[in-house]
Amino acid sequence: SAVISQKPSRDICQRGTSLTIQCQVDSQVTMMFWYRQQPGQSLTLIATANQGSEATYESGFVIDKFPISRPNLTFSTLTVSNMSPEDSSIYLCSVVGQTLVNGNTIYFGEGSWLTVV
Amino acid sequence: GENVEQHPSTLSVQEGDSAVIKCTYSDSASNYFPWYKQELGKRPQLIIDIRSNVGEKKDQRIAVTLNKTAKHFSLHITETQPEDSAVYFCAASKAGGGNKLTFGTGTQLKVEL
Repeated sequence: SAVISQKPSRDICQRGTSLTIQCQVDSQVTMMFWYRQQPGQSLTLIATANQGSEATYESGFVIDKFPISRPNLTFSTLTVSNMSPEDSSIYLCSVVGQTLVNGNTIYFGEGSWLTVV
Repeated sequence: GENVEQHPSTLSVQEGDSAVIKCTYSDSASNYFPWYKQELGKRPQLIIDIRSNVGEKKDQRIAVTLNKTAKHFSLHITETQPEDSAVYFCAASKAGGGNKLTFGTGTQLKVEL
């Protein structure tokens, strides 16, 4: 499986500020995604990070709040803008990896735990 | 869009017993069904997955079954151990859906000694 590194792993942020999360993969991947997991909740897809073009956002998520960059096939960033306590979540980078046996499989990075105070 | 329901939300079993978690999905075009285990403070880890061309898959103590007609799939853990205690999420995605996963709401499994 791909090795997916995220930074920061944890942060405490002030209300109204913005934070950028980085996701680095050890191999080129076609598809990268950003998910959010609010405390005690399931995972929700924020957007698909498209290399060389604008991200594709899911319903309820907008570019102004969650701008995403994907400059190449191994790296992406997610910015959480103008944060409020409701943005306190785990943000997870995800990639599609391919194995000979299993075909396309979806893996998650270690996650970035954000607390907004 | 796809909707995935997961039951139960909490499950407590005695060590050595079996645990079963069930999920239903709404989109008949879904064809990939992974299960993730999330321990406290950690990321979700893929533990097993199944594709729509098979009805069952096993990996040691873990098995997943899929009923396409009824649109439900289940995770079976046999001979449970304390280290199986975690939150388990089912998910679904479909071909042509860009590999986007729709997750169930999660099951908190507790294996008691």
